[in-house]
Amino acid sequence: AQSVAQPEDQVNVAEGNPLTVKCTYSVSGNPYLFWYVQYPNRGLQFLLKYITGDNLVKGSYGFEAEFNKSQTSFHLKKPSALVSDSALYFCAVRDINSNSGYALNFGKGTSLLVTP
Amino acid sequence: EAQVTQNPRYLITVTGKKLTVTCSQNMNHEYMSWYRQDPGLGLRQIYYSMNVEVTDKGDVPEGYKVSRKEKRNFPLILESPSPNQTSLYFCASSLSWGSLGTEAFFGQGTRLTVV
Repeated sequence: AQSVAQPEDQVNVAEGNPLTVKCTYSVSGNPYLFWYVQYPNRGLQFLLKYITGDNLVKGSYGFEAEFNKSQTSFHLKKPSALVSDSALYFCAVRDINSNSGYALNFGKGTSLLVTP
Repeated sequence: EAQVTQNPRYLITVTGKKLTVTCSQNMNHEYMSWYRQDPGLGLRQIYYSMNVEVTDKGDVPEGYKVSRKEKRNFPLILESPSPNQTSLYFCASSLSWGSLGTEAFFGQGTRLTVV
């Protein structure tokens, strides 16, 4: 089955510093990978995705993610963190098994805290 | 504005009292699904629908029902809610079930408490 893992429950970063939220994947075949962000009392918002092509993917709010096939990783990054980036971040992979209706399989989430 | 709308946002109910959480999307999406979010478990799919009148079970379907009579609506029904269904629920839609690379759009969530 297609799955992702987010090894960190929480990441703490000082404002202005670079941030990384980690995600590793386990898939058979080509991966379709996504990052979502959830602000308090809000739904999930799409940030970016990797389907094919360049390994560095740019998304919303200044975020980017690097796809690394050899390390089976898809880490989310931002060069300079903002306090307003504090939120819950989810990595997800598309299940290519049609029996699941091509569901999105989510990681457990990483809480990002950016301190002033 | 393209959106997925869920109602209600918050609901407290008693064990055994039937309830329905509504979900509507205005993007003409074929694929809709319901997830529940629990701490430490991420999001898990409850049911999905590939199109009108086509629904199927996800990973955690027990205790839930759905229907898809119209393309835009996908209500989640709890016939006899139990405390273990206390959770945060999200409805999502995407263009079509076969479009593997398209992202899903999520509603604002419904926080359900069953006492």
